[in-house]
Amino acid sequence: GNSVTQMEGPVTLSEEAFLTINCTYTATGYPSLFWYVQYPGEGLQLLLKATKADDKGSNKGFEATYRKETTSFHLEKGSVQVSDSAVYFCALSGNPGNTGKLIFGQGTTLQVKP
Amino acid sequence: DADVTQTPRNRITKTGKRIMLECSQTKGHDRMYWYRQDPGLGLRLIYYSFDVKDINKGEISDGYSVSRQAQAKFSLSLESAIPNQTALYFCATSDPSGRANSGELFFGEGSRLTVL
Repeated sequence: GNSVTQMEGPVTLSEEAFLTINCTYTATGYPSLFWYVQYPGEGLQLLLKATKADDKGSNKGFEATYRKETTSFHLEKGSVQVSDSAVYFCALSGNPGNTGKLIFGQGTTLQVKP
Repeated sequence: DADVTQTPRNRITKTGKRIMLECSQTKGHDRMYWYRQDPGLGLRLIYYSFDVKDINKGEISDGYSVSRQAQAKFSLSLESAIPNQTALYFCATSDPSGRANSGELFFGEGSRLTVL
């Protein structure tokens, strides 16, 4: 079945450091891929998405490229800020009709220190 | 005001008690979902509903039931709570016709349930 695997956290970085959070997936067909972010005490919100191979999603300085050959969707940011401290979830939607039934990775906690 | 509202936000209960978590939304979406979040496990789908007359089990529906009272309301019940149902529960909505069929979910702020 479909699945998503993220690197284990927590990830602790200093402000302005480069961030990579790895995400790989297993899926049949051509899933859409997502990164969601959960700030402390809040629900998840969509950070970025990509719907086909080689698409790059980007938002708020974060980027991720849909790599079908390596089944990966790694999240990157060139210079993190304290306000980026949150839990990041990689997810996929494998249904052709995109029903919204997402499969989530386990989440990676990012802590950015000043 | 939040577009997806969950009540209660926090609840502590005892084993064997019946608990209902409620979700209401003002986004006008037909599709609603209940997810459970556990540390190290991410989010797992409990139940989902594509319209008022449609209810479907997710991957971990045992021990739970739902009711879709209206397009805007979707409740999750634990008939007899047990300690391993202690978790953070999220309601979410989606609109398959909008945003170029993006599959985006819109989440509530979560309901933290502790079963003693």
